[in-house]
Amino acid sequence: SQKIEQNSEALNIQEGKTATLTCNYTNYSPAYLQWYRQDPGRGPVFLLLIRENEKEKRKERLKVTFDTTLKQSLFHITASQPADSATYLCALDLSLGNEKLTFGTGTRLTIIP
Amino acid sequence: GAGVSQTPSNKVTEKGKYVELRCDPISGHTALYWYRQSLGQGPEFLIYFQGTGAADDSGLPNDRFFAVRPEGSVSTLKIQRTERGDSAVYLCASSLAGGHEQYFGPGTRLTVT
Repeated sequence: SQKIEQNSEALNIQEGKTATLTCNYTNYSPAYLQWYRQDPGRGPVFLLLIRENEKEKRKERLKVTFDTTLKQSLFHITASQPADSATYLCALDLSLGNEKLTFGTGTRLTIIP
Repeated sequence: GAGVSQTPSNKVTEKGKYVELRCDPISGHTALYWYRQSLGQGPEFLIYFQGTGAADDSGLPNDRFFAVRPEGSVSTLKIQRTERGDSAVYLCASSLAGGHEQYFGPGTRLTVT
């Protein structure tokens, strides 16, 4: 069956350290993988998109890797800050002509001052 | 500019009643998506519009759910004979034609009592 798993439901990281979140999937062949941030009571906010032929993408303190052999994406936040505390969602875009997203359950990240 | 807006922000209704949830996408975005998010889960795809037509409604759980977008802008999600299991946050997102990044609204929290 098709499944998307994000490493842990909750992750606590000390301020200033690097937070690493994992997204694993089975029985999908996504053309794109996206990461979103969601704060309580709000809709998800787009962060980064990585294509199947890209290994790594960076944006400021964020870095995403995509390994289509392992069927895994890693999402890193360097020099983490308390303001980075949120739920982070990975989403697969199968790009079958409609760009609908299939989301993981999310990881709730807390940065401890 | 204005983001995606959704009304109402909260809706409490009795089992068996009919509800309408409204989404106002970003101006110029031709693609519009509805998702449903239960507590502790990622958003789950319901339906996708490209312009006025529903290009993919494969995520609608049953025939009690229906959505329209008559003029290619505002969309309404309609739920007939509501059930307690319909309680969730209903999210709307829009994107540019061919775009992969989706812009989400704040959601409508539906509670069926």
